[in-house]
Amino acid sequence: SQKIEQNSEALNIQEGKTATLTCNYTNYSPAYLQWYRQDPGRGPVFLLLIRENEKEKRKERLKVTFDTTLKQSLFHITASQPADSATYLCALGLGGANNLFFGTGTRLTVIP
Amino acid sequence: NAGVTQTPKFRILKIGQSMTLQCTQDMNHNYMYWYRQDPGMGLKLIYYSVGAGITDKGEVPNGYNVSRSTTEDFPLRLELAAPSQTSVYFCASTEGHNEQFFGPGTRLTVL
Repeated sequence: SQKIEQNSEALNIQEGKTATLTCNYTNYSPAYLQWYRQDPGRGPVFLLLIRENEKEKRKERLKVTFDTTLKQSLFHITASQPADSATYLCALGLGGANNLFFGTGTRLTVIP
Repeated sequence: NAGVTQTPKFRILKIGQSMTLQCTQDMNHNYMYWYRQDPGMGLKLIYYSVGAGITDKGEVPNGYNVSRSTTEDFPLRLELAAPSQTSVYFCASTEGHNEQFFGPGTRLTVL
């Protein structure tokens, strides 16, 4: 069966450290992968997109890697801040109608 | 630009009632989507549309209907509400293989 698993439901880290979130998938062949941030009571907000032929993407303190052999994406937040506390969702895109398949999310808490 | 707007923000329905969740986008996007999000779960696609007049089922379409008469609007209809439809509903839009823009959501409770 098809699955998208994010490493843990919740992750607590100390301010200033690097947070690493994992997204593993089975029985999908994504053309691209996206990461979203969701705050309580709000809709997801797009952060980064990485395509199947790209290994790494960066945006300010964010970095995403995509390994199609391991069927895994890693999402890093460097120099984390309490304001980074949120739920982070990975989503696979298969192309076509741009439908996304979402993981269940990881709730990140950055402790001051 | 307002982006993606959804109404209402909250609604309580009785079993068997019907309602329409409204979604409007002002970005001239062709692709629009309806998702539901249950506690601790990821978003599940209900229906999507690739342009005005074209709609198709997603992963969890049962109990819902949609229409897309204009580029801007993509309403979601619940005909006979059931407790299993208690959820938060998000509408989104995009153009191309790019980011999706989400609305603020509608929190629906069916009692």
